[in-house]
Amino acid sequence: NAGVTQTPKFQVLKTGQSMTLQCAQDMNHEYMSWYRQDPGMGLRLIHYSVGAGITDQGEVPNGYNVSRSTTEDFPLRLLSAAPSQTSVYFCASSLSGPLYNEQFFGPGTRLTVL
Amino acid sequence: RKEVEQDPGPFNVPEGATVAFNCTYSNSASQSFFWYRQDCRKEPKLLMSVYSSGNEDGRFTAQLNRASQYISLLIRDSKLSDSATYLCVVNMEGYQKVTFGTGTKLQVIP
Repeated sequence: NAGVTQTPKFQVLKTGQSMTLQCAQDMNHEYMSWYRQDPGMGLRLIHYSVGAGITDQGEVPNGYNVSRSTTEDFPLRLLSAAPSQTSVYFCASSLSGPLYNEQFFGPGTRLTVL
Repeated sequence: RKEVEQDPGPFNVPEGATVAFNCTYSNSASQSFFWYRQDCRKEPKLLMSVYSSGNEDGRFTAQLNRASQYISLLIRDSKLSDSATYLCVVNMEGYQKVTFGTGTKLQVIP
């Protein structure tokens, strides 16, 4: 099993550009989530999904969209990149939600917005 | 007050030492607690869950103090390989979200 995979590993964007961060898991997990990690801020939840076709907002959803058309994939779209979105983005999955289940993280995408 | 608070450190300890970290949380109704470990420029990985009765996994012991609203992580006989950032994770609202602390950095020195 590959676990949770993310692409790309690194990305540089110009302000105003859009892009999609890819996330996939092969563990048949129902719950998937996106976090961003900034120095001194810890991981902050952007969006999450409890199953295919169901998504909800986390703590910092503005400027990001998600969709969950399959159990395996949970892409994160940046609509119009801003320098404030420079961060490390982690995708995670767990069997049925993070309350009592381990979250498995992907290796992260390091995004710089100029 | 931050919802989940940790001392950022760094904690610099010699090999073989015992070190303890605390993490305070603001919601008395929180139900689940975890410690994750994050190596430099890597993804977080689960170290251990924290149970009401406390739990131990080898050199690591986790405890929950509901009255004072904190969890703790004790590492005995520190190894160089324990050098990492330790993240406290608490569910603060509902059943579908957890909140991460900012992490405590541990550096074990030869």
